[in-house]
Amino acid sequence: DSGVTQTPKHLITATGQRVTLRCSPRSGDLSVYWYQQSLDQGLQFLIQYYNGEERAKGNILERFSAQQFPDLHSELNLSSLELGDSALYFCASSYQTGRRETQYFGPGTRLLVL
Amino acid sequence: DQQVKQNSPSLSVQEGRISILNCDYTNSMFDYFLWYKKYPAEGPTFLISISSIKDKNEDGRFTVFLNKSAKHLSLHIVPSQPGDSAVYFCAASFNQAGTALIFGKGTTLSVSS
Repeated sequence: DSGVTQTPKHLITATGQRVTLRCSPRSGDLSVYWYQQSLDQGLQFLIQYYNGEERAKGNILERFSAQQFPDLHSELNLSSLELGDSALYFCASSYQTGRRETQYFGPGTRLLVL
Repeated sequence: DQQVKQNSPSLSVQEGRISILNCDYTNSMFDYFLWYKKYPAEGPTFLISISSIKDKNEDGRFTVFLNKSAKHLSLHIVPSQPGDSAVYFCAASFNQAGTALIFGKGTTLSVSS
C-alpha cells in the first residue's frame, strides 16, 4: 500500500458526460501528479500540482482540468467525454517538487466511456 | 517520439534464475531513473531508482545499472521468484524541479516455477 488513495475504483459513463476523479496523497506529500494509461500505452503525464498550485502540464486535453485543495487532495475533472477517454487514470504523490523525487502511485481509477 | 523505450514487450524466466529487463532512452538531459512494478488492477509500485551520477544501485534482489554513454539502463532481479511476475516500467525525469516522469511502455515478466 503506497498510502495514495483514489476514488472511485471504477467508473462507467456515457459520451458527453462529465466525471470527477479524486486523489488523496500520502501523508505529508505536497505534490500530486495525474497520469493516464490508455490501451497499449505507457503512462502519460497529464498535470502536476504542488501545495495547491499548478506546477506543470503535460498532454492534458482542454476538456480536462484539475485542482488541488487546501487539504492537499486533488480532483481531476473530465468533461464532454469521448470513447477515447476510456483509460486508467493514476494519481501519484511526492513530498516536494524537487529533483530526483520518487513518486508513489495510487491504485488508479478505471474509466469506461460507452 | 518515445524518449524512453522498453523494446522487449515480454520476458520469461525460470524461478531462481536472473531476470534482466532493459530500457533505452534518447534524451541526455534525463537525470533520474526509476523502475516500477505493476500487477493487474493495481497502481505502479516503486522498486528502485538511480541518479545520473551513479552507475549502479542495489536493493536486495534488485540491482539497477546505468550506462550513460549508451543511454541504457537495466534492472537485474536475482534470484527471480514467481511473485515477481508483473509488468515492469522504466521511467525517467529531467534535471529540474517539479518534473513529471516519462515512462516506457513496460515489459511483462513471467517467472515460472
